[in-house]
Amino acid sequence: DTGVSQNPRHKITKRGQNVTFRCDPISEHNRLYWYRQTLGQGPEFLTYFQNEAQLEKSRLLSDRFSAERPKGSFSTLEIQRTEQGDSAMYLCASSTRDSHRPDTQYFGPGTRLTVL
Amino acid sequence: AQTVTQSQPEMSVQEAETVTLSCTYDTSESNYYLFWYKQPPSRQMILVIRQEAYKQQNATENRFSVNFQKAAKSFSLKISDSQLGDTAMYFCAFMKAGAGSYQLTFGKGTKLSVIP
Repeated sequence: DTGVSQNPRHKITKRGQNVTFRCDPISEHNRLYWYRQTLGQGPEFLTYFQNEAQLEKSRLLSDRFSAERPKGSFSTLEIQRTEQGDSAMYLCASSTRDSHRPDTQYFGPGTRLTVL
Repeated sequence: AQTVTQSQPEMSVQEAETVTLSCTYDTSESNYYLFWYKQPPSRQMILVIRQEAYKQQNATENRFSVNFQKAAKSFSLKISDSQLGDTAMYFCAFMKAGAGSYQLTFGKGTKLSVIP
């Protein structure tokens, strides 16, 4: 079990540029989540996938944000026309239903985005 | 909508002593899960302990235990025999049970410092 991985770990971009982050969940976890965490706050839910289907989206996910999970494995989160307010840590988590710890979410290390 | 409140932004404890972190939540749901996550400095979020709302028995994991008071909507975390490695941000989180929604709602966190 290699854990949830995220790339890149850090991204610095200029306002107006597009950025894309990748998340690789724990293998065989069918559920994948994206959260955003700003300084001094707890993570806020953005979106959730079950296999390749995006089943839930937060109102925080504006039309500049898009997430995909094309084959039900890794996922990408793209932010178009970045704004300084997008600066945050973007966290990915995955989970699966099992008999011991159903729906417990395991988090990756995050991608820290800085928009200049 | 659910809300989670952590009223202690920062706490400190002497090594080997016991500390209790507070969490209250507001929900109209009758079945749900509660979690405590730990986020060490510059490291990823780790699950500490979870509690199913339908279980009356308080969850324990080694030095970590909870005091779950469903009627009071309170879910505190007790750390016994505190260790330097317990220094971290601690987040309380809520998740509805049942199919359809798996998003975690987090509090703002409590920064715990363990003093040698």
